[in-house]
Amino acid sequence: AQTVTQSQPEMSVQEAETVTLSCTYDTSENNYYLFWYKQPPSRQMILVIRQEAYKQQNATENRFSVNFQKAAKSFSLKISDSQLGDTAMYFCACRNYGGSQGNLIFGKGTKLSVKP
Amino acid sequence: DTAVSQTPKYLVTQMGNDKSIKCEQNLGHDTMYWYKQDSKKFLKIMFSYNNKELIINETVPNRFSPKSPDKAHLNLHINSLELGDSAVYFCASSQGRVNQPQHFGDGTRLSIL
Repeated sequence: AQTVTQSQPEMSVQEAETVTLSCTYDTSENNYYLFWYKQPPSRQMILVIRQEAYKQQNATENRFSVNFQKAAKSFSLKISDSQLGDTAMYFCACRNYGGSQGNLIFGKGTKLSVKP
Repeated sequence: DTAVSQTPKYLVTQMGNDKSIKCEQNLGHDTMYWYKQDSKKFLKIMFSYNNKELIINETVPNRFSPKSPDKAHLNLHINSLELGDSAVYFCASSQGRVNQPQHFGDGTRLSIL
């Protein structure tokens, strides 16, 4: 069965600093996609960044970047120059390429607080 | 111009009632989903559906049923509501099942009295 583990229930960072959220996953598939979603207090689920497993290059979206280690099944999210608006729950998710499911399997989330 | 919209945003009802949550997407996506987020913020897939195939998570009680009148809508019907059904329910959509990201609605907070 596919699983996603986020080992940090809560983290905090000072505004303008850098923080890394960890995520590991387990899948028997060779082709899959990985995502980070953000859920601010407003409850919306917002896509932050995604990574295709067959691409070795780490994905980057402005201040957000990932460190994808396929052999270790690790997919950490780095947030640079943290802003108060980054305060949210962050969910790591995995989605298989093959089969008929394609459903997102989520980790339990990391609550990030950015402090002024 | 909301992409995925759910109604209502809040739903308070009594145990044993039957209720529905509506979901509509205007993105032209062919696949829609329902997720349940429990009190510990854990998100779990309930259903995924396109016009060809409904996939049900085996842990979902059969009191829950998705109904899709057309490609842009996937409503969630819940019969005989129980206390444990209290949660936030998210609708999502994507183009295709796999490599395209899912766009989520704002969620419906269901509270059972």
